[in-house]
Amino acid sequence: GQQVMQIPQYQHVQEGEDFTTYCNSSTTLSNIQWYKQRPGGHPVFLIQLVKSGEVKKQKRLTFQFGEAKKNSSLHITATQTTDVGTYFCAGRPPRAGNKLTFGGGTRVLVKP
Amino acid sequence: NAGVMQNPRHLVRRRGQEARLRCSPMKGHSHVYWYRQLPEEGLKFMVYLQKENIIDESGMPKERFSAEFPKEGPSILRIQQVVRGDSAAYFCASSPSQGDNSPLHFGNGTRLTVT
Repeated sequence: GQQVMQIPQYQHVQEGEDFTTYCNSSTTLSNIQWYKQRPGGHPVFLIQLVKSGEVKKQKRLTFQFGEAKKNSSLHITATQTTDVGTYFCAGRPPRAGNKLTFGGGTRVLVKP
Repeated sequence: NAGVMQNPRHLVRRRGQEARLRCSPMKGHSHVYWYRQLPEEGLKFMVYLQKENIIDESGMPKERFSAEFPKEGPSILRIQQVVRGDSAAYFCASSPSQGDNSPLHFGNGTRLTVT
């Protein structure tokens, strides 16, 4: 079955620094979505990428979808304490219906 | 516009009891998904339902677990004869339509503790 993997599992970042988290799927995806879950909270949708090679930005967050539509990345610049949380990618293979498979997440801890 | 509503927020059950988790999707949403999350882990798909239909239950354990989404009322995830390993956060999510571009809107989750 489809697997979605994220690295690193944990990311300790000094406030103000940049970092990147990566998402890899064992199968080609029709689209990829990113969610953020604050500690003790629930996942909140951030963005969706559909096209091969697509790049989208949300303020300090840059999302990219790989050319082969099997991987994605999230880059955060000038990390702030509000960025603390777990970032999940999630994908659907083509013709797999609505089932959304989540990666294991990257847990971001920010050191002030 | 109320979001996805889950209750109870916290549920404590003794081993062998039944747990019932309820989820009301966002207004206008007809698709409901249940996910399970263990501490420090990701979201594991359990089941996907539309009104009165189970569409995909490939993530549901074969025994003790069942889900429904009746014509009227909330979706229910039912766990019979709970065991300690069932302790987890159970999240419900909804989406407005079929089609693989719909993002999921999650509820606050039910945190089940089995003692």
